[in-house]
Amino acid sequence: ETGVTQTPRHLVMGMTNKKSLKCEQHLGHNAMYWYKQSAKKPLELMFVYNFKEQTENNSVPSRFSPECPNSSHLFLHLHTLQPEDSALYLCASSPQLPGNTDTQYFGPGTRLTVL
Amino acid sequence: AQSVTQPDIHITVSEGASLELRCNYSYGATPYLFWYVQSPGQGLQLLLKYFSGDTLVQGIKGFEAEFKRSQSSFNLRKPSVHWSDAAEYFCAVGEPGANNLFFGTGTRLTVIP
Repeated sequence: ETGVTQTPRHLVMGMTNKKSLKCEQHLGHNAMYWYKQSAKKPLELMFVYNFKEQTENNSVPSRFSPECPNSSHLFLHLHTLQPEDSALYLCASSPQLPGNTDTQYFGPGTRLTVL
Repeated sequence: AQSVTQPDIHITVSEGASLELRCNYSYGATPYLFWYVQSPGQGLQLLLKYFSGDTLVQGIKGFEAEFKRSQSSFNLRKPSVHWSDAAEYFCAVGEPGANNLFFGTGTRLTVIP
């Protein structure tokens, strides 16, 4: 599946920088997700949006700020990050039919390095 | 709370040999179960899923998995591995009707000629 795109693919930033990650899905889905993937750890769900409304914030630090302007686009705004925030950030989407647990389709990820 | 255990961090198999990747889950009822594969530098691709019905499910690329309720397992199998199968494999469990998927830590598969 190549219906979920993420930009940039790689990002290096200092701890005082502000940057944004972008995700776009071309599948007509209604739910979008941000995950953090660190080495040797399970994927960590960060945020969930259903029909543009945030329905899950998994105790994520405020230096990560999501934005979902419509069902096709999802952003993750980053500011004053720490080196331990370096990871692969994955975006996913799903149809999110009511009452269903749907298959999630993933983008290729953004490899983030915080110096 | 749901959890997923993939006991094998790294597995090496010869090309053409059979493969079984283990997955055990913890969940009170019948969960939704998934296997995803991740190639280097790529996102996760769905291999197969189990929601209900036949406990042996077929997926893409010749993979299959069997849901065994008595063992809380959902092991992934392939009868003959190809070099292109080298990747990281993730098992995930979801609660019916909920957004969240809980992932295991993954099993890295190396295929040797």
